[in-house]
Amino acid sequence: EIVLTQSPATLSLSPGERATLSCRASQSVGSSLAWYQQRPGQPPRLLIYDASNRATGIPARFSGSGSGTDFTLTISSLEPEDFAVYYCQQRTNWLLTFGGGTRVEIK
Amino acid sequence: QVQLVESGGGVVQPGRSLRLSCAASGFAFSVYGMHWVRQAPGKRLEWVAVIYHDGSNQHYGDSVRGRFTISRDNSKNTMYLQMNSLRAEDTAVYYCVRDLNSGWHDYWGQGSLVIVSS
Repeated sequence: EIVLTQSPATLSLSPGERATLSCRASQSVGSSLAWYQQRPGQPPRLLIYDASNRATGIPARFSGSGSGTDFTLTISSLEPEDFAVYYCQQRTNWLLTFGGGTRVEIK
Repeated sequence: QVQLVESGGGVVQPGRSLRLSCAASGFAFSVYGMHWVRQAPGKRLEWVAVIYHDGSNQHYGDSVRGRFTISRDNSKNTMYLQMNSLRAEDTAVYYCVRDLNSGWHDYWGQGSLVIVSS
């Protein structure tokens, strides 16, 4: 099983600041990585798939990068609705796994 | 618009069985693979299972393989999860999710809570 490790566990930032979230895989997943946002009491929402493709309706302030074992989700300028938990996910060989999440909180 | 509505959750004793359903609408159900993903309280997301668009193949996560069975009825636009030999660690919100490009999850239901407790 491929283990995904997200860092930091919590990110404390102010609206308008840039957020940089990391996801590291225990072995290479190529570009097979996605990012999701989950607000309290809500199901997750797909933001990025195939490492860098924005999902339908996702604002341009969200961007993804990386390949192999190291990936980054960047939120260029935080909006109030962006304070949430973010998960990465890989899909190798139909053994899908998620990371432990990064909480982005208001500073 | 795409809608996925789970039902069938509740409280069940360890060792017993439960079946979840997911009613889909707003898209061509028979064209899409479908997943179950769960989330225990305060925990990370955990992928449970996937079924191909035509039901021809299924894959399972290690923790449920041999106990859970995913199925679908395309004539009813409905997916199912039969859960047998339930354990306390199966307690979670179970989400019905549509597949995007063989392994991503683009639409999620609101979830159905399953509590396994004596």
